Amino acid sequence: KNQVEQSPQSLIILEGKNCTLQCNYTVSPFSNLRWYKQDTGRGPVSLTIMTFSENTKSNGRYTATLDADTKQSSLHITASQLSDSASYICVVIYGGATNKLIFGTGTLLAVQP
Amino acid sequence: DVKVTQSSRYLVKRTGEKVFLECVQDMDHENMFWYRQDPGLGLRLIYFSYDVKMKEKGDIPEGYSVSREKKERFSLILESASTNQTSMYLCATVGTGSFYNEQFFGPGTRLTVL
Repeated sequence: KNQVEQSPQSLIILEGKNCTLQCNYTVSPFSNLRWYKQDTGRGPVSLTIMTFSENTKSNGRYTATLDADTKQSSLHITASQLSDSASYICVVIYGGATNKLIFGTGTLLAVQP
Repeated sequence: DVKVTQSSRYLVKRTGEKVFLECVQDMDHENMFWYRQDPGLGLRLIYFSYDVKMKEKGDIPEGYSVSREKKERFSLILESASTNQTSMYLCATVGTGSFYNEQFFGPGTRLTVL
């Protein structure tokens, strides 16, 4: 069964600290993986996209990694800010020609002053 | 910048009512999608459209229908709203016919069915 699982479900950190969010998937055939940020009451906004040949990709203070062998991805946030408080969603695109998407349930991050 | 707008941010309807949710995009994208988002379940695809007057069922189409009369507008219709359709509804769009491209989401409509 194609699945995308994220951990932890929720996380509280202090402003300025780093954190890492995890995404494990059991999806085949894998095409690419995206991390989205969703602020409360808003639609998701893309942070990074990675194909199977990419190991790491950065977008400012956000760094995503991908291990296609173990089917794991992580999103590392450096020097967190209050504005990082949001839900972070991992999305895996699969299916070859049909290109279907599976969304993880997200990690809710709260950054406290 | 791609702009995806949805007709309402919050909507309250009664059981049995017919509900229309509208999505408009300004970037001439071919593909448009309707998702619902529920706690603990993530986003689930209801319907998508890859061209005007074309539509495809997603993973959970039951109880919904869609309309795409113009390229920029994709409507989601709840023929007879039920309480289990209370949810956050998100519209998304992507261009050039490729799912490799980024999906741009609207702000969402939080629908409550009483």
